Amino acid sequence: GESVGLHLPTLSVQEGDNSIINCAYSNSASDYFIWYKQESGKGPQFIIDIRSNMDKRQGQRVTVLLNKTVKHLSLQIAATQPGDSAVYFCAEISGGYNKLIFGAGTRLAVHP
Amino acid sequence: DTAVSQTPKYLVTQMGNDKSIKCEQNLGHDTMYWYKQDSKKFLKIMFSYNNKELIINETVPNRFSPKSPDKAHLNLHINSLELGDSAVYFCASSQDPGGDTDTQYFGPGTRLTVL
Repeated sequence: GESVGLHLPTLSVQEGDNSIINCAYSNSASDYFIWYKQESGKGPQFIIDIRSNMDKRQGQRVTVLLNKTVKHLSLQIAATQPGDSAVYFCAEISGGYNKLIFGAGTRLAVHP
Repeated sequence: DTAVSQTPKYLVTQMGNDKSIKCEQNLGHDTMYWYKQDSKKFLKIMFSYNNKELIINETVPNRFSPKSPDKAHLNLHINSLELGDSAVYFCASSQDPGGDTDTQYFGPGTRLTVL
């Protein structure tokens, strides 16, 4: 069946370093992918998205890379800050009707 | 100025009870959703409504019944609560499902604990 998963359940980085969070997806028909950030006690917050006709998209301090050949998605955070500490989810739109399929999540811990 | 709000934030109840969680969005969106997040943080869609009409209904026990009195509200009623229903429930909304790739905005969640 369709699924979206992550390679690393926990990622620890030093403040100021760059972070890379990876995600593998299995539905090759998916054409839209999103990264969400979830802070403790809060709901998921949209970070950045990318369509399958692109392989890279940049936002403010964040970049999403899409490799359709190996069905891999990554989120890069530049100059990671303590406020970036959260659980990050990749998600794909599957089956129409804006149905989001979420991956398992990666916890990012930023140390001073 | 909260965009998507849910009440209550915490809900503790006994097995077998019936409870409701309310959701409201003031974004003027047409579509609303309910998600369940389990203890391992896994998020899964349960339902979505567009203009008060059910459009996504995942494999959810029929003890769960969403109700949409208008397009700004989507409530979740749960009958005969079971231990396995303990989770965090998130409401979300998006502008228009027609293009089927609209950003979903999530509420703060309701933590349900069934004892």
